[in-house]
Amino acid sequence: QQPVQSPQAVILREGEDAVINCSSSKALYSVHWYRQKHGEAPVFLMILLKGGEQKGHDKISASFNEKKQQSSLYLTASQLSYSGTYFCGTEGRGNTDKLIFGTGTRLQVFP
Amino acid sequence: EAQVTQNPRYLITVTGKKLTVTCSQNMNHEYMSWYRQDPGLGLRQIYYSMNVEVTDKGDVPEGYKVSRKEKRNFPLILESPSPNQTSLYFCASSFGQLYNSPLHFGNGTRLTVT
Repeated sequence: QQPVQSPQAVILREGEDAVINCSSSKALYSVHWYRQKHGEAPVFLMILLKGGEQKGHDKISASFNEKKQQSSLYLTASQLSYSGTYFCGTEGRGNTDKLIFGTGTRLQVFP
Repeated sequence: EAQVTQNPRYLITVTGKKLTVTCSQNMNHEYMSWYRQDPGLGLRQIYYSMNVEVTDKGDVPEGYKVSRKEKRNFPLILESPSPNQTSLYFCASSFGQLYNSPLHFGNGTRLTVT
């Protein structure tokens, strides 16, 4: 089952913050985050493995609460280059080797 | 340059005419996978392979075949394409276990079946 991402779309001004959530109905082993710009391939951002783990990538960070089967992506002080569609991919416990992606969150950053 | 190469980038075909989309990676990756991307549905996994001669179904395998005879290649075969297989297809590879290895995606193949 696909994880549920929210919101479906976000519109920001440069410098504003955003949070994208990814929620699964199944127990998770890991969560991946990718960004896809229009007409391009998805590009890897980060992987989270352990419960409560947080990671950062420039001004983009993420957390993973394995008890709640949820992950959140935090975009701080957004830049124009952050525009794109963000996908979470979940790897389920007992069903590793399969990465199931959410339907995506479209983020647009305006000057 | 480390990359995943898909061919062709664009393909228009007719219903029932067999086709193959090739995928090749030069990173010595163990894991390879095919996804299709449709508006509003995100990326859905078609097939994946953990290693040579090992393939397994993803979530939407119907109407597709794959093979993994060599580590670097993972072709996607549509024996009898139908219009509902019109989509954007991505091949991806990963060094090893997904929990610590990111997916590297090819540039995509846009397939139209009329």
